[in-house]
Amino acid sequence: AQTVTQSQPEMSVQEAETVTLSCTYDTSESDYYLFWYKQPPSRQMILVIRQEAYKQQNATENRFSVNFQKAAKSFSLKISDSQLGDAAMYFCAYRSAINYGQNFVFGPGTRLSVLP
Amino acid sequence: DVKVTQSSRYLVKRTGEKVFLECVQDMDHENMFWYRQDPGLGLRLIYFSYDVKMKEKGDIPEGYSVSREKKERFSLILESASTNQTSMYLCASQTGQDYNTEAFFGQGTRLTVV
Repeated sequence: AQTVTQSQPEMSVQEAETVTLSCTYDTSESDYYLFWYKQPPSRQMILVIRQEAYKQQNATENRFSVNFQKAAKSFSLKISDSQLGDAAMYFCAYRSAINYGQNFVFGPGTRLSVLP
Repeated sequence: DVKVTQSSRYLVKRTGEKVFLECVQDMDHENMFWYRQDPGLGLRLIYFSYDVKMKEKGDIPEGYSVSREKKERFSLILESASTNQTSMYLCASQTGQDYNTEAFFGQGTRLTVV
């Protein structure tokens, strides 16, 4: 079974600075998708960014980018120019592209604080 | 925009009560999920449904059941609530057409069993 690990339970960053959240996963599959979700205090989970494993190019969405290292099974999220609204729980998630019965597997989350 | 609506944000129930958590989505999605969220454990899948009347057990189905009589509605049932079921419950939906698509989540129900 696949597992997702986020080794940083809590992180903090100064407003306007850059922070990187770590995520590693374990799988024997070659084709899969990776996601970063954000859960602000309102509790509504929101997709931040996604990556397809067969694409070598790292995904980017405005201030959010990933460093996808397939061989190392690493999928870190970089937030540039951090804003107060980025404060939230961030979850890394894995989904198989092969096994239809495979669902999203989530990591334990990293709580990000943004300091003014 | 996709909307996933959970019937309650907060619930307080007594031990032994039968509890219903309702979830409705408005995008004609085939897949619907119920997750339980606990600190340090992330989201754990309770049940998954890929079509009306179809369901699959997730990682932690014990003590729970589900019902999907209509495509837009997916209900989670706690047959006899216990204190260890105090948690945050998240419902999500996703199209069944493409594995790459994101799951859309409801706002969560924080359930306290006393």
